[in-house]
Amino acid sequence: DQQVKQNSPSLSVQEGRISILNCDYTNSMFDYFLWYKKYPAEGPTFLISISSIKDKNEDGRFTVFLNKSAKHLSLHIVPSQPGDSAVYFCAASDQETSQGGKLIFGQGTELSVKP
Amino acid sequence: EAGVTQFPSHSVIEKGQTVTLRCDPISGHDNLYWYRRVMGKEIKFLLHFVKESKQDESGMPNNRFLAERTGGTYSTLKVQPAELEDSGVYFCASSQQGRPNYGYTFGSGTRLTVV
Repeated sequence: DQQVKQNSPSLSVQEGRISILNCDYTNSMFDYFLWYKKYPAEGPTFLISISSIKDKNEDGRFTVFLNKSAKHLSLHIVPSQPGDSAVYFCAASDQETSQGGKLIFGQGTELSVKP
Repeated sequence: EAGVTQFPSHSVIEKGQTVTLRCDPISGHDNLYWYRRVMGKEIKFLLHFVKESKQDESGMPNNRFLAERTGGTYSTLKVQPAELEDSGVYFCASSQQGRPNYGYTFGSGTRLTVV
């Protein structure tokens, strides 16, 4: 039973345009949502997070939107750069990671940003 | 600060053999986690230590897997005897108590291949 789903295995975007990565979840107990970026042969790197009391969090070129009623979140990257090419994982937890929250990951979306 | 370090980076063993993976978390991080990614699928939780205590081992697949964290510092994950389906990338991650919403810091992973 997949509690966190990323239905697009891959996404290709032109440099300078917007990249939108989507994630759906089923467990209403999730209160914290995170995005990780992963390059080949490396571990996932924390990118941005949002708690359920917010609907938007922005950090430079990265913005995460949360729609609790739809159990949907998205990551916007504007403008996209070739260095953003990586696999992006959505993750969710019912507890803050600093308090030991266990992360449930989606399958990942491979983003390719073409020059 | 030094990151999360995992040894070895790659391991190829025969079915029925024993393998021990090691993780050195970031110094001072009380939370230590093991995750696994099989066949390019989602990253799945295995277990969580707080210092030397197992807080949650609900993700351990079976009793062929044994994790320890003696002294609350580094951790080992032993697979004995290894089976073909144990192949995958094993990630270790750590986080600091009381540092909210910054996510985990992952190591680069150990790629285990059982032949």
